[in-house]
Amino acid sequence: EPEVTQTPSHQVTQMGQEVILRCVPISNHLYFYWYRQILGQKVEFLVSFYNNEISEKSEIFDDQFSVERPDGSNFTLKIRSTKLEDSAMYFCASSDLDRGSDTQYFGPGTRLTVL
Amino acid sequence: GQNIDQPTEMTATEGAIVQINCTYQTSGFNGLFWYQQHAGEAPTFLSYNVLDGLEEKGRFSSFLSRSKGYSYLLLKELQMKDSASYLCAVREGFQKLVFGTGTRLLVSP
Repeated sequence: EPEVTQTPSHQVTQMGQEVILRCVPISNHLYFYWYRQILGQKVEFLVSFYNNEISEKSEIFDDQFSVERPDGSNFTLKIRSTKLEDSAMYFCASSDLDRGSDTQYFGPGTRLTVL
Repeated sequence: GQNIDQPTEMTATEGAIVQINCTYQTSGFNGLFWYQQHAGEAPTFLSYNVLDGLEEKGRFSSFLSRSKGYSYLLLKELQMKDSASYLCAVREGFQKLVFGTGTRLLVSP
């Protein structure tokens, strides 16, 4: 069964450094998402992406964040200057709304630790 | 504003039936999802309701009442592997999912 994949599984970085989290969505999906989950808290929406542009973003997704689809398979989340409070699990998800399927399928996540 | 409420924790025994409730108040509504999340893992899709009524899928069923802002997830014939967090999520608008804090279910022998 097709699945969303994410790399790396765990990233440790120093405060102020840039990080790039990578995702490979399910191949025939057209909509891509990033969510995050701070330890012990709820899953929070960051951004959705369709047709090479952001379609919706939350208040969390400020100028420090950016997303990109650099090629036909990868979808990336960049955090320019990480802060301690960016430490969380970051989940990528994808969906195929064009075929009437509404479900967002999540990848295994990248655990980001900012020191 | 957005408010999605679920009980924090529930316990049940193997073989039993458990119902996890979710109430919501959101600025938009375009469907309600239930996900299962084992500790340290990704949410996995369980069910989706957009119309009122019951959706059944094997041991799992989900119910929705849009007028009451209420849903429940029913798990039958509980197994030890069902110990996990169960997340209620409302789709606001076209895509954005708004999650509740989740209900941690502990299944004991």
